[in-house]
Amino acid sequence: DAGVIQSPRHEVTEMGQEVTLRCKPISGHNSLFWYRQTMMRGLELLIYFNNNVPIDDSGMPEDRFSAKMPNASFSTLKIQPSEPRDSAVYFCASSSGQGYTGELFFGEGSRLTVL
Amino acid sequence: DAKTTQPPSMDCAEGRAANLPCNHSTISGNEYVYWYRQIHSQGPQYIIHGLKNNETNEMASLIITEDRKSSTLILPHATLRDTAVYYCIVLEHKLSFGAGTTVTVRA
Repeated sequence: DAGVIQSPRHEVTEMGQEVTLRCKPISGHNSLFWYRQTMMRGLELLIYFNNNVPIDDSGMPEDRFSAKMPNASFSTLKIQPSEPRDSAVYFCASSSGQGYTGELFFGEGSRLTVL
Repeated sequence: DAKTTQPPSMDCAEGRAANLPCNHSTISGNEYVYWYRQIHSQGPQYIIHGLKNNETNEMASLIITEDRKSSTLILPHATLRDTAVYYCIVLEHKLSFGAGTTVTVRA
């Protein structure tokens, strides 16, 4: 079975540009999570969806960040406009079951560099 | 706001058991303990979780003290591929990762 698939794996962009990160969760999983990892702050939960509905977006840094899940097999995380401090590895994870469980399956991550 | 304390780093010898400690003295009665690891340049990987009983799977064993204030993750026969950052997490309303323990397995 394919795991969580993220794209792009690497993105280099200039400050002010729009960035879109994509995630395909494991088929049958009904929860999806976006995390961000930096050296300074470690792994941070940005947003959590359950059955395609955003449940907790308290970790989204500011209005420049937005996330959508139009269907059960696809989610996007968009940054507009991007800033150098957004440089990080962004992970998508999915899980099955009702409500929040702790057994998450992570993708390989998208490494974003904003110049 | 992590509820766990782990040593920042530890070394272990290949082929030996690796015992990774974690303190979670403020854990509540219905909160689970989860362990994840992150190998360099990869996403975190779930290892095991438990509530109060000891647990074992194909990857590791989890020993939780009777008062649940601490736990130990045991990798029974460490290999070089077990070199990673290991995270001990108390599941509250979300999975919050702390700094973890950087484990280096040496030949």
